[in-house]
Amino acid sequence: GAGVSQSPSNKVTEKGKDVELRCDPISGHTALYWYRQRLGQGLEFLIYFQGNSAPDKSGLPSDRFSAERTGESVSTLTIQRTQQEDSAVYLCASSLPLGTTHTQYFGPGTRLTVL
Amino acid sequence: QQQVKQSPQSLIVQKGGISIINCAYENTAFDYFPWYQQFPGKGPALLIAIRPDVSEKKEGRFTISFNKSAKQFSLHIMDSQPGDSATYFCAAVGTGSARQLTFGSGTQLTVLP
Repeated sequence: GAGVSQSPSNKVTEKGKDVELRCDPISGHTALYWYRQRLGQGLEFLIYFQGNSAPDKSGLPSDRFSAERTGESVSTLTIQRTQQEDSAVYLCASSLPLGTTHTQYFGPGTRLTVL
Repeated sequence: QQQVKQSPQSLIVQKGGISIINCAYENTAFDYFPWYQQFPGKGPALLIAIRPDVSEKKEGRFTISFNKSAKQFSLHIMDSQPGDSATYFCAAVGTGSARQLTFGSGTQLTVLP
């Protein structure tokens, strides 16, 4: 079946611009995560959605970062007034409802470059 | 604050050799420890995972060894193959409501033919 998809695969933007990244989770996966991967580093948790519950935003690095999810489907991560330190690969993952499994399935990521 | 420390940063092994990657954690609230494999341009994919009530788990050529008292766990890749060349991340899952993954910094493995 289809895996997690993300778009765009690459995004180059100028400092100060806003960007929007999209994630399509696996159908039936109620849990959705966003992570950030800086060059040569591990992944950092950003935000978590579970069904219609309030999202866990504890990993968002600043108020320039926000995310939305429509029901149990598509999610968008928005970065306002981008800075050079925002350059990274942004990865989305989805999983079955918590308690069923811990396995998170990752998309290929969006590589963001802020000039 | 790095809650999961991973070493080495890079590893070069001859084909047929054993690759060993080590991780240590600080938070005793972690209760699930997966390893992810990532190829260039791809997202990480689950390789193998272990719970802290088990000291070892083996799946094919991949084995996790877990030492709860030392708060350490390691990945062993037996009979390493060039196709195993990738970046490996250890991770830990906490007991919080989000159950998010806390990742180590990664190990770039190169298996020479």
